[in-house]
Amino acid sequence: AQSVSQHNHHVILSEAASLELGCNYSYGGTVNLFWYVQYPGQHLQLLLKYFSGDPLVKGIKGFEAEFIKSKFSFNLRKPSVQWSDTAEYFCAVNILTGGGNKLTFGTGTQLKVEL
Amino acid sequence: GAGVSQSPSNKVTEKGKDVELRCDPISGHTALYWYRQRLGQGLEFLIYFQGNSAPDKSGLPSDRFSAERTGESVSTLTIQRTQQEDSAVYLCASSLVIPTDTQYFGPGTRLTVL
Repeated sequence: AQSVSQHNHHVILSEAASLELGCNYSYGGTVNLFWYVQYPGQHLQLLLKYFSGDPLVKGIKGFEAEFIKSKFSFNLRKPSVQWSDTAEYFCAVNILTGGGNKLTFGTGTQLKVEL
Repeated sequence: GAGVSQSPSNKVTEKGKDVELRCDPISGHTALYWYRQRLGQGLEFLIYFQGNSAPDKSGLPSDRFSAERTGESVSTLTIQRTQQEDSAVYLCASSLVIPTDTQYFGPGTRLTVL
């Protein structure tokens, strides 16, 4: 079965530090890739997504992610984090061939940004 | 427009009781999904509805779990004879057209089984 791995479970950064959250998936076929974010007290929101085309995807709030097919990775990056980026971040994969339309999620990364 | 709504927001029940969780998708969204998030874990797919097609029930953990959807509107997730391991946040999402459309999530129902 397909799986999604997020290796960093808890990350603490100071404001203005750079961020990179890892995401790897275990399926070799065609996939759609997503990063969702859950701010404290709010529900899951889409941060960015990759369907096809340019593997460098830009999302909201200055986030970007790069799809590297050879590494089965879709890491999330932000050059300079803000206190308001404190949230839980989830990577998710939708397998397009025979996988239906369900999202497989990673276990999430809790990001805390300190002032 | 309105997003995905879920009710109740919190539900506390006793072991062995049945519970019903409700999801109202975004109007016009033909696809609806249920996920479960246990404490400290990622989201776990439960079931998926698409229009009038047979639902994908491959994620339901046991026959105590069932879900229905009327047309392209409200869905209810029913858990019979609840167990403590059913305690989790149950999330509903909807999307326009598979397979490439973004899923929009509701706020979830936090279920606690005592």
